[in-house]
Amino acid sequence: AQSVTQLDSHVSVSEGTPVLLRCNYSSSYSPSLFWYVQHPNKGLQLLLKYTSAATLVKGINGFEAEFKKSETSFHLTKPSAHMSDAAEYFCVVSAPHQAGTALIFGKGTTLSVSS
Amino acid sequence: DAGVTQSPTHLIKTRGQQVTLRCSPISGHKSVSWYQQVLGQGPQFIFQYYEKEERGRGNFPDRFSARQFPNYSSELNVNALLLGDSALYLCASSLGYSHEQYFGPGTRLTVT
Repeated sequence: AQSVTQLDSHVSVSEGTPVLLRCNYSSSYSPSLFWYVQHPNKGLQLLLKYTSAATLVKGINGFEAEFKKSETSFHLTKPSAHMSDAAEYFCVVSAPHQAGTALIFGKGTTLSVSS
Repeated sequence: DAGVTQSPTHLIKTRGQQVTLRCSPISGHKSVSWYQQVLGQGPQFIFQYYEKEERGRGNFPDRFSARQFPNYSSELNVNALLLGDSALYLCASSLGYSHEQYFGPGTRLTVT
């Protein structure tokens, strides 16, 4: 069965400092992995996706993630945080489900950015 | 291009009532998925439809049902509402049932 574990429920950083949001995955085969962001009272926005091409994936708004099979990790990073990055972040694995595909979400990491 | 749209934005119902939520996918997308997000948790998969057929169902009771129309829009129905059904209901569309999913803004359902 596929699953993801987000290792931190809350991360706090100062504006201009690096961001690291950690995610480990469990999958019986080569997974498709995603990071989504959710701002307060908004829907989910796709930040980036990994689908077995390059292991370093670049997304929107300066975010990137590295797929490490040996560590079963897919951590999200950004070199310099902005106030607008404050939001809920979800690590997600795509899993075959019956005759279709279901997204399996982690519990989320709340990113706080202080000035 | 318009993104995924959902209606209504907010909804308040009482226990035992029935509710219908609506979703219009991105133009050209043929698959719609529904997710329930309870406050403070990640979304949970409810249904996926592709070309008007159910492709998958999550671990939800039979009170939850859905359908997809010929124009690929979709409805989610919940009968006999419980307080625990209070949540944000998210619709996602994709080109096909195995493609990346794009989410709408959600419908906030409150059951009193």
